[in-house]
Amino acid sequence: DGGITQSPKYLFRKEGQNVTLSCEQNLNHDAMYWYRQDPGQGLRLIYYSQIVNDFQKGDIAEGYSVSREKKESFPLTVTSAQKNPTAFYLCASERAGNQPQHFGDGTRLSIL
Amino acid sequence: GQQLNQSPQSMFIQEGEDVSMNCTSSSIFNTWLWYKQDPGEGPVLLIALYKAGELTSNGRLTAQFGITRKDSFLNISASIPSDVGIYFCAGQLVFGQGTRLTINP
Repeated sequence: DGGITQSPKYLFRKEGQNVTLSCEQNLNHDAMYWYRQDPGQGLRLIYYSQIVNDFQKGDIAEGYSVSREKKESFPLTVTSAQKNPTAFYLCASERAGNQPQHFGDGTRLSIL
Repeated sequence: GQQLNQSPQSMFIQEGEDVSMNCTSSSIFNTWLWYKQDPGEGPVLLIALYKAGELTSNGRLTAQFGITRKDSFLNISASIPSDVGIYFCAGQLVFGQGTRLTINP
């Protein structure tokens, strides 16, 4: 079945550590997105990529980095510069502009 | 930046009741999307709206794209326990804060 796979489901970060969240899609979608969700809030856009080897900052990009070396993959690194990383992270993909996004099941990141 | 104001923030209803929630914006959107999120999972698309004035149904769900392109509503008829969750409206890369629906059996 086609879909988006995020891993791991749960992740713990130590102080000063960088961690990378994986997002893979086999939907042949061009665009991919990373969102952050805090309790009781909506989704806020971190980074997005509309084509391989290109990506743009979203509303809350500080403390995060991404790469898009392959169409299928859009990993998100939460760096030590992100002082409040505890959240639910959602990856999404989209076939073309203004189309509905397909979401993965999320990664919950916590601080040790 | 663009913002979507979604209301109500939460709803507590009896099984079998109808539900109505809406989303407004000060900006024009070309697309309105409604998603449902279950606990610990990603949002799943319910209805997509692409034209001002468009009224679309998906089973017991009905959504409309406002004629001004600045608002949308979602109705759920005859609610059932599996309707519990958080409902989000979305425009281009912008999401509302969500409406949390709780159903008393």
